[in-house]
Amino acid sequence: NAGVTQTPKFRVLKTGQSMTLLCAQDMNHEYMYWYRQDPGMGLRLIHYSVGEGTTAKGEVPDGYNVSRLKKQNFLLGLESAAPSQTSVYFCASSSTGFGFGTEAFFGQGTRLTVV
Amino acid sequence: EDKVVQSPLSLVVHEGDTVTLNCSYEVTNFRSLLWYKQEKKAPTFLFMLTSSGIEKKSGRLSSILDKKELFSILNITATQTGDSAVYLCAVNSGGYQKVTFGIGTKLQVIP
Repeated sequence: NAGVTQTPKFRVLKTGQSMTLLCAQDMNHEYMYWYRQDPGMGLRLIHYSVGEGTTAKGEVPDGYNVSRLKKQNFLLGLESAAPSQTSVYFCASSSTGFGFGTEAFFGQGTRLTVV
Repeated sequence: EDKVVQSPLSLVVHEGDTVTLNCSYEVTNFRSLLWYKQEKKAPTFLFMLTSSGIEKKSGRLSSILDKKELFSILNITATQTGDSAVYLCAVNSGGYQKVTFGIGTKLQVIP
């Protein structure tokens, strides 16, 4: 009964390094989302996917890329990390659109620090 | 621009107290309002509200929506230390990805 699982849970990167955050869900959900959470701000949507093979930009997509090659996985990539990308990243999934009759389920988060 | 404003930003109460958390919103095309509880990491779902005046309840927690005045409240009665968390309010404004979150209300319940 895992739900939404994110790896890694913590990571420290140097400016300019790249990394990929992995999100896996076992609920057969179509919709998946990547959010970032910063102090003093609400959760903000980075990218989302409405099904396998699809991706779309959210509110704050710059500096990030995503892929959804398999329905259960949603990857978030940082090609060249910047200190402004220091944040806590949350993955979420929902069976229908988030707020369209169903809630979204969130992963435990990844705390990323870029130095 | 869609806005969700929560108040108060933080609150300290004693066990057994009743608290009311507020969420007001200004969005272009309201569809639903959701409450989440965020303890250490993952936000966990509490309620989804779509209709005015219909109270949703789960144990000691309850919530109601007023679509005319554009706000919702989350009530917690007989608070316990386990209720200590950040409570997030989110509003869907028309698209399956158009969910705007408030900053949250940090609740601390002391014994």
